[in-house]
Amino acid sequence: DSGVTQTPKHLITATGQRVTLRCSPRSGDLSVYWYQQSLDQGLQFLIQYYNGEERAKGNILERFSAQQFPDLHSELNLSSLELGDSALYFCASSPRGDYGQPQHFGDGTRLSIL
Amino acid sequence: LAKTTQPISMDSYEGQEVNITCSHNNIATNDYITWYQQFPSQGPRFIIQGYKTKVTNEVASLFIPADRKSSTLSLPRVSLSDTAVYYCLVGDRDSNYQLIWGAGTKLIIKP
Repeated sequence: DSGVTQTPKHLITATGQRVTLRCSPRSGDLSVYWYQQSLDQGLQFLIQYYNGEERAKGNILERFSAQQFPDLHSELNLSSLELGDSALYFCASSPRGDYGQPQHFGDGTRLSIL
Repeated sequence: LAKTTQPISMDSYEGQEVNITCSHNNIATNDYITWYQQFPSQGPRFIIQGYKTKVTNEVASLFIPADRKSSTLSLPRVSLSDTAVYYCLVGDRDSNYQLIWGAGTKLIIKP
């Protein structure tokens, strides 16, 4: 058990809809990362937050947004969903914001777009 | 974007030592090299991290040459449970320190 909690574990929805994925980091970790993993693209970094502030941004689509709340949990919002958004979405956390920190991953949310 | 390069797949046998190499030409001066292991439908799990030369822990060793443009993960005496995908992670100085993951190496251990 990594200590990182992601909900829901599975999500099935239709094209054009909007969903919110939730992540609770390990106790004491200030940084949260979001990743997308699909069959054809491997693990793609989306965005990182550190203590409530955006720290780094990867190839995150404009239809996607995220935030980290004062209690350090984070949410990833995906809107105007397309079939290609079907993937595993992972959240990871680390104690600090610098990239030398090992990340601890949750078990992911599997998103299926019908 | 800079990228890392790893072999797509490797096979080995139980009890053997396995070495997986990752190339990362644009590694940032202050960045560490980190390796993760991932089993199907699970999140990646941290294995080992290093900056230069050699690092060893209870499960693996990491060898990094002086120019730091590559790194080699060494798994001693592998078992069937080491069958997984292995990723190397480095920073990317050309992309404002984005986190670039390698495509991963699928390691299959045979009895």
